Amino acid sequence: QSALTQPASVSGSPGQSITISCTGTSSDIGGYNYVSWYQQYPGKAPKLMIFDVSKRPSGVSDRFSGSKSGNTASLTISGLQAEDEADYYCGSYTSSSTWLFGGGTKLTVL
Amino acid sequence: EVQLVQSGAEVKKPGESLKISCKASGYDFTSYWIGWVRQMPGKGLEWVGIIYPRDSDTRYSPSFQGQVTISADKSITTAYLQWSSLKASDTAMYYCVRHYNWFDPWGQGTLVTVSS
Repeated sequence: QSALTQPASVSGSPGQSITISCTGTSSDIGGYNYVSWYQQYPGKAPKLMIFDVSKRPSGVSDRFSGSKSGNTASLTISGLQAEDEADYYCGSYTSSSTWLFGGGTKLTVL
Repeated sequence: EVQLVQSGAEVKKPGESLKISCKASGYDFTSYWIGWVRQMPGKGLEWVGIIYPRDSDTRYSPSFQGQVTISADKSITTAYLQWSSLKASDTAMYYCVRHYNWFDPWGQGTLVTVSS
């Protein structure tokens, strides 16, 4: 199983919006609404930011939103802040009853 | 509060065996899958596998099937990840995670270093 495809890096200025894509196949992202997103700071454990494509856990800022179209899921961060600079990973259930992560995207706030 | 507390860092030699642990608290341990995620140095997240403690049903990533064993002890609400013969390529941070259709929360991680 190959990892889901994410851009290696994205960047944006404070206050702007950015979108991170996560591309899979009809056997994973396209087939199920079990896409989640994780934020990871250097040296720290990942943190759940979005689950079930577009739902936010309690305590996660509403600046974070998720969506899906076909085999591609997206994480959008609006009103970019310096504290958003981190690595972001998508995850999805697959038709093999296993789970896949994306390769990760490094977000730089300029 | 749901918490996953993992065992400490390990330094092992190639060929040695190892079992790391993850103590869960704050929820019904038998009602959620619990699993492991690998992160090699400077790399991304890789799903290793999960176990359902109530009946020990276990699922593995094809990449890890036969390479590791996941187990759980309901009586002490602890999950385990073990190797029978470590390789240098097993050097990584291993995270324990509670699993539903997402992964949350995450343990603090256990760093496993395999070096001769």
